[in-house]
Amino acid sequence: SQTIHQWPATLVQPVGSPLSLECTVEGTSNPNLYWYRQAAGRGLQLLFYSVGIGQISSEVPQNLSASRPQDRQFILSSKKLLLSDSGFYLCAWSRTTSTDTQYFGPGTRLTVL
Amino acid sequence: GQQVMQIPQYQHVQEGEDFTTYCNSSTTLSNIQWYKQRPGGHPVFLIQLVKSGEVKKQKRLTFQFGEAKKNSSLHITATQTTDVGTYFCAEVLQGAQKLVFGQGTRLTINP
Repeated sequence: SQTIHQWPATLVQPVGSPLSLECTVEGTSNPNLYWYRQAAGRGLQLLFYSVGIGQISSEVPQNLSASRPQDRQFILSSKKLLLSDSGFYLCAWSRTTSTDTQYFGPGTRLTVL
Repeated sequence: GQQVMQIPQYQHVQEGEDFTTYCNSSTTLSNIQWYKQRPGGHPVFLIQLVKSGEVKKQKRLTFQFGEAKKNSSLHITATQTTDVGTYFCAEVLQGAQKLVFGQGTRLTINP
């Protein structure tokens, strides 16, 4: 069976510090991978998605970046965090069809102070 | 760009009452998915609707896709405290390998 992992589960970072969130998927090959952000009590905002190694599509201009160094690894990064980067970051995967279900990881709750 | 509008944003009901959330689009949807997110948790897939006029049931949950494929609804009969959470619809963008989520309806229940 497939599983998706995210770490860390929670993170408190000062403004201006760097960020690295990691997501890994097990039990499947060549998945589509997605990063979402959810502000408190709000909806899901798609940040990045990837259909293959090294292929990243950015949905929203911001100070975040994403990378996919391996087939089942997706990393979200920032060089300098802003207060507005606080939120719940969710990674998700789906099979390589546009109509397939997305399976979400447990998320990382980021607080920028 | 395409987007789905979801209403209401919040809904508070007494346990045992029914609940409905609606998803509307100005354009024809290829298909639509529904997800549930429990408080503090992550979204979990519930169902996908593909055909015009489709109705699917999961126990007390009834999902409908409009005849024109421009709207969808999720109805819960006789809510229970385990139904608490935020329900999202998501539009599948054909060929784009991604979903566009509605803003969600947050359901709270008075036991």
